[in-house]
Amino acid sequence: NAGVMQNPRHLVRRRGQEARLRCSPMKGHSHVYWYRQLPEEGLKFMVYLQKENIIDESGMPKERFSAEFPKEGPSILRIQQVVRGDSAAYFCASSPPAEQPQHFGDGTRLSIL
Amino acid sequence: AQRVTQPEKLLSVFKGAPVELKCNYSYSGSPELFWYVQYSRQRLQLLLRHISRESIKGFTADLNKGETSFHLKKPFAQEEDSAMYYCALPHEGAQKLVFGQGTRLTINP
Repeated sequence: NAGVMQNPRHLVRRRGQEARLRCSPMKGHSHVYWYRQLPEEGLKFMVYLQKENIIDESGMPKERFSAEFPKEGPSILRIQQVVRGDSAAYFCASSPPAEQPQHFGDGTRLSIL
Repeated sequence: AQRVTQPEKLLSVFKGAPVELKCNYSYSGSPELFWYVQYSRQRLQLLLRHISRESIKGFTADLNKGETSFHLKKPFAQEEDSAMYYCALPHEGAQKLVFGQGTRLTINP
């Protein structure tokens, strides 16, 4: 079992570009979570999804951020028109439905030039 | 608002000494608490959860509802315990986790 797979590990974008972060859950897990970690801070919840459905997006910024988990393929966290403040580590986790604990990926470190 | 507080950002102890990483929470219900650990260049992984009442790698944590604490303890620290440690609980009993800021533990030889 390869665990939660995130790619890319590092992503560099210029201001105004789009960033796409991918997450494949562990085998047998149907629920995916995205967390953001700003420098010197703890992980903050962003969004919780199952296949083709967003369960809880209360932590998502209102603009520029979106997430999906299609029937086929990985979950995608999309950030449009990136700004310097989007620089952070973005972690994905997965679990079986309505179960703890969550299992985490290695994260994607997003840097905005 | 539900909150997890880890008051120490950095903690440094000598090998063989006892170690305690503090975690306090605010939640009115019956919490389920977790300790996650992140070793250098590795992913965040579950260390222990209070409902299992296990001892993992010599670490234990007891839930104290009166003090709303879930401190992580180990009687004799080892160099390989150096890592970032995060305390977390599900927000209002739901799936999303609320994390503390983390404590960077350094074990000196």
